[in-house]
Amino acid sequence: EIVLTQSPGTLSLSPGERATLSCRASQSVSSSYLAWYQQKPGQAPRLLIYGASSRATGIPDRFSGSGSGTDFALTISRLEPEDFAVYYCQQYGSSGTFGQGTKVEIK
Amino acid sequence: EVQLVQSGAEVKKPGESLKISCKGSGYRFTSYWIGWVRQMPGKGLEWMGIIYPGDSDTRYSPSFQGQVTISADKSISTAYLQWSSLKASDTAMYYCARHGLVGVIRDAFDIWGQGTMVTLSS
Repeated sequence: EIVLTQSPGTLSLSPGERATLSCRASQSVSSSYLAWYQQKPGQAPRLLIYGASSRATGIPDRFSGSGSGTDFALTISRLEPEDFAVYYCQQYGSSGTFGQGTKVEIK
Repeated sequence: EVQLVQSGAEVKKPGESLKISCKGSGYRFTSYWIGWVRQMPGKGLEWMGIIYPGDSDTRYSPSFQGQVTISADKSISTAYLQWSSLKASDTAMYYCARHGLVGVIRDAFDIWGQGTMVTLSS
């Protein structure tokens, strides 16, 4: 089973700053089958990025995904107040597994 | 509107059985894989397994194989997650979610249900 490790565990930033979240896989993720989700308290997760770098429908272009193989990243170019949340990566190339999450909190 | 609507919260005792549901609407239910995701209190997301309602082809995470059963009734556009004997550690929020592409097994979850909270209490 592919294990995904996200870092950092918590990211403390101010609105307007740039956020970079990392997701590292224990083995190569085939065909960039890597997604990112956002989850706010009391809500279901929301798909942000699929295929490592494609934005889902309705996702603002301040969210971007990159990477291949075992190293992936989610970048939020300028944090808006509504972006403070927990973010999860998921690989779906071999069964499906999630990372443990990165919390983006207001500094 | 494409949506998944899950059954309501449950409070059960250890050893009891349970079946929770996820009803799809606004799309061809038989053509998209549907999965289940567990979230224990204060914890992250765990991929449990997926089912293709068109032919009931089902895949499980090794962590959940034998612990739960995923099924679907295409006549009523509903997927299910069931336990034969609940444990205290099954206390969690359970989400159903749909793959984004028709018939594609390797895909992200683009539509999510609202979640079903299962609480075990002796």
